Amino acid sequence: QSVLTQPPSVSGAPGQRVTISCTGSSSNIGAGYDVHWYQQLPGTAPKLLIHTSSNRPSGVPDRFSGSKSGTSASLAITGLQAEDEADYYCQSYDSSLSGSVFGGGTKLTVL
Amino acid sequence: EVQLVESGGGLAKPGGSLRLSCAASGFTFKSAYMTWVRQAPGKGLQWVGHIKSKGHGGTADYAAAVKGRFTISRDDSKNTLYLQLNSLKAEDTAVYYCTREYFWYFDFWGRGTLVTVSS
Repeated sequence: QSVLTQPPSVSGAPGQRVTISCTGSSSNIGAGYDVHWYQQLPGTAPKLLIHTSSNRPSGVPDRFSGSKSGTSASLAITGLQAEDEADYYCQSYDSSLSGSVFGGGTKLTVL
Repeated sequence: EVQLVESGGGLAKPGGSLRLSCAASGFTFKSAYMTWVRQAPGKGLQWVGHIKSKGHGGTADYAAAVKGRFTISRDDSKNTLYLQLNSLKAEDTAVYYCTREYFWYFDFWGRGTLVTVSS
């Protein structure tokens, strides 16, 4: 059971928009701690996709965007492409656990 | 270019030990917080722990699941991060990733090293 809750899977057709939610609690996202997102392509290491809730590192397409509100955060992907098929993880800090926590991950399938 | 290269993984028996290393290059290692994250086969990511830069005390924090069994250390003269794994359990079987940490997020990752705990 992960501290941050994500849907196990989402899917969309090429060109469509999908969102992935990340629900936390008052000891992590709700306490104001930032949310970060990672993309893990099959057989590779995770890669930072969004940091500090809505900031994209250099090289990440602007099709990827993040937002945060209350105890939840969301990752949106517009103009879905086949190469976006991957696992996506949210991450934050938890004050009760005094450490970083991840969501369980969401598998994105491009139909 | 930032590079993180893990090594030292392999097969260990329950109750046994292993030491993982992570060779870093392309950034000022001594100023960086460094983190270990693991991923059990077919499962999600799990934070193992981190170590602060010596300028910020050089102390390490751990996840509850590994506290008292795992130890994170660093050798800034060698630009190398270590993870000592003791009292290994089957549930420690995972790919272990070395990451650079920046304000509690992980901006660069190594390719990982696989640790298998089995009799």
